[in-house]
Amino acid sequence: IAGITQAPTSQILAAGRRMTLRCTQDMRHNAMYWYRQDLGLGLRLIHYSNTAGTTGKGEVPDGYSVSRANTDDFPLTLASAVPSQTSVYFCASSPTGTSGTDTQYFGPGTRLTVL
Amino acid sequence: GQNIDQPTEMTATEGAIVQINCTYQTSGFNGLFWYQQHAGEAPTFLSYNVLDGLEEKGRFSSFLSRSKGYSYLLLKELQMKDSASYLCAVSDSNYQLIWGAGTKLIIKP
Repeated sequence: IAGITQAPTSQILAAGRRMTLRCTQDMRHNAMYWYRQDLGLGLRLIHYSNTAGTTGKGEVPDGYSVSRANTDDFPLTLASAVPSQTSVYFCASSPTGTSGTDTQYFGPGTRLTVL
Repeated sequence: GQNIDQPTEMTATEGAIVQINCTYQTSGFNGLFWYQQHAGEAPTFLSYNVLDGLEEKGRFSSFLSRSKGYSYLLLKELQMKDSASYLCAVSDSNYQLIWGAGTKLIIKP
């Protein structure tokens, strides 16, 4: 593995189903982030983690949860998917916990469609 | 509220120069980033400015004026592979990135 991997690459999901998007990094970065990207809008932060064991809410956290049990993994869970959660989801990481000055490195994204 | 404005789309000719503008209104400022995103791919880092002035990196340069809330990305000697979206992002007082919607740059031969 080199960098950040995300799984699945794409998924079609029925509304009401539970879904976990996986994200793994091998760069030993402290901070990790989940964004969603929708047409015509900028990337929007869902949740973040400045270090293993801690998480925080971003701009659009409702309907999503995260955990950070170790440095490498940062899964995003949709407890009960709704069509408005149809989007492209990007996981990112940065070396320190201060995203304001760190370069963020992005995974390839997961394209999620909720019907 | 916090706001990042960029043009939605720009067109330029191969070999030419193009300037992509970004204006911002944020609560606090801890730096401005430019990222490149090819269609269907992840964003990748281009530049970071925290002080006023011009930062040059090969064919790409980025300028910042904090007093005007303004930045631009300058791309010289355009190549077809530069066709992509260019994302402006500002780090606010909480060190969270606020992202613009991106500028889609179309390069024509």
